[in-house]
Amino acid sequence: QKEVEQDPGPLSVPEGAIVSLNCTYSNSAFQYFMWYRQYSRKGPELLMYTYSSGNKEDGRFTAQVDKSSKYISLFIRDSQPSDSATYLCAMSQGAQKLVFGQGTRLTINP
Amino acid sequence: NAGVTQTPKFRILKIGQSMTLQCTQDMNHNYMYWYRQDPGMGLKLIYYSVGAGITDKGEVPNGYNVSRSTTEDFPLRLELAAPSQTSVYFCASSEFPTGQVAYEQYFGPGTRLTVT
Repeated sequence: QKEVEQDPGPLSVPEGAIVSLNCTYSNSAFQYFMWYRQYSRKGPELLMYTYSSGNKEDGRFTAQVDKSSKYISLFIRDSQPSDSATYLCAMSQGAQKLVFGQGTRLTINP
Repeated sequence: NAGVTQTPKFRILKIGQSMTLQCTQDMNHNYMYWYRQDPGMGLKLIYYSVGAGITDKGEVPNGYNVSRSTTEDFPLRLELAAPSQTSVYFCASSEFPTGQVAYEQYFGPGTRLTVT
């Protein structure tokens, strides 16, 4: 069983839709939960992070962590074509090493 | 600040050749990392370093070597290249976390390597 599982997609939705991206994990010691966004042929960039359980909102993006279910989500409201990218979840125990999911390729159609 | 820079951008190697992927960061970060990214497989950690002179293996270190003689540079060496090492390689850096702030890893633009 992989430590972090993420549906690779691809996921294609119309502009303005609400997008839900998810990851599950098996290591209950994970404390930091992150979402990275990666545009085509670029390096990943940190989009959102959450420490322990709870929600965090930043503009059109909301990150949720449910440690009891070992499940994290990223919601994108009013999706835009510029949101088209691969989204990678990542998590760690608090040390410097991150464990990444496989990444979900998202396309927002105008 | 240039952030994290990687050279070369692209490279084609023949089986058995060797090469060094260069990585430099100008943010004075202590932590540096090398990842490989295969299609649909996310990022796999190859090696990482917590400071000059200190390196450690990640998840997939076989076939690679690293050194960290300065804070800024973290080269990745491929010896005896194999087709299985065809991938996109990313270097990243980060700083010590403070409080509950997760340390952000800053990634370079990547090196696309093909071994034939």
